[in-house]
Amino acid sequence: AQSVSQHNHHVILSEAASLELGCNYSYGGTVNLFWYVQYPGQHLQLLLKYFSGDPLVKGIKGFEAEFIKSKFSFNLRKPSVQWSDTAEYFCAVNPYGQNFVFGPGTRLSVLP
Amino acid sequence: SAVISQKPSRDICQRGTSLTIQCQVDSQVTMMFWYRQQPGQSLTLIATANQGSEATYESGFVIDKFPISRPNLTFSTLTVSNMSPEDSSIYLCSVDSGHAEQYFGPGTRLTVT
Repeated sequence: AQSVSQHNHHVILSEAASLELGCNYSYGGTVNLFWYVQYPGQHLQLLLKYFSGDPLVKGIKGFEAEFIKSKFSFNLRKPSVQWSDTAEYFCAVNPYGQNFVFGPGTRLSVLP
Repeated sequence: SAVISQKPSRDICQRGTSLTIQCQVDSQVTMMFWYRQQPGQSLTLIATANQGSEATYESGFVIDKFPISRPNLTFSTLTVSNMSPEDSSIYLCSVDSGHAEQYFGPGTRLTVT
């Protein structure tokens, strides 16, 4: 079945550590890719997106993600996390002509 | 980006009753979506609601259980019918921005006792 997977259920980091959250999908055709963030008590917000072009995309708050087509991956990165990055992160895939499919989410806890 | 509001923000309901959730957008949008986010889990699409046509339901969701209305381009409702504790979840409304992005409302947290 077509799906979206995220490598880690819960990641715990100290402030200033580097972050990489993995996302893989199993759709073979053209896809749009997204990372959403859900801060505690808040609604889902779009962090960044990839439609086409440069596979390295930059989003808000210093986040970036790299699309590697051969690996069906769209990993999220940040060089130095802050306590305020504590949140749930969802990878989402939008296959062309189809609905969004969300990954299971990764909970990030940043220790001050 | 669109600003989306939902009512109610949360509710506690008894099993067997129904709850209607409202979603209001500050601009006209063609496509609106209803998702469910069960505790500790990801988002699952319930249905797509387009103005002027019947909602399209995803596998596992039926109109009798989750009737949807879409009377105009800025408003939609989702009803959770004949509720059971398994329906306890966060229900989210989202809209397509017209640029292949989705924006989400704050959600309605439903607890069924």
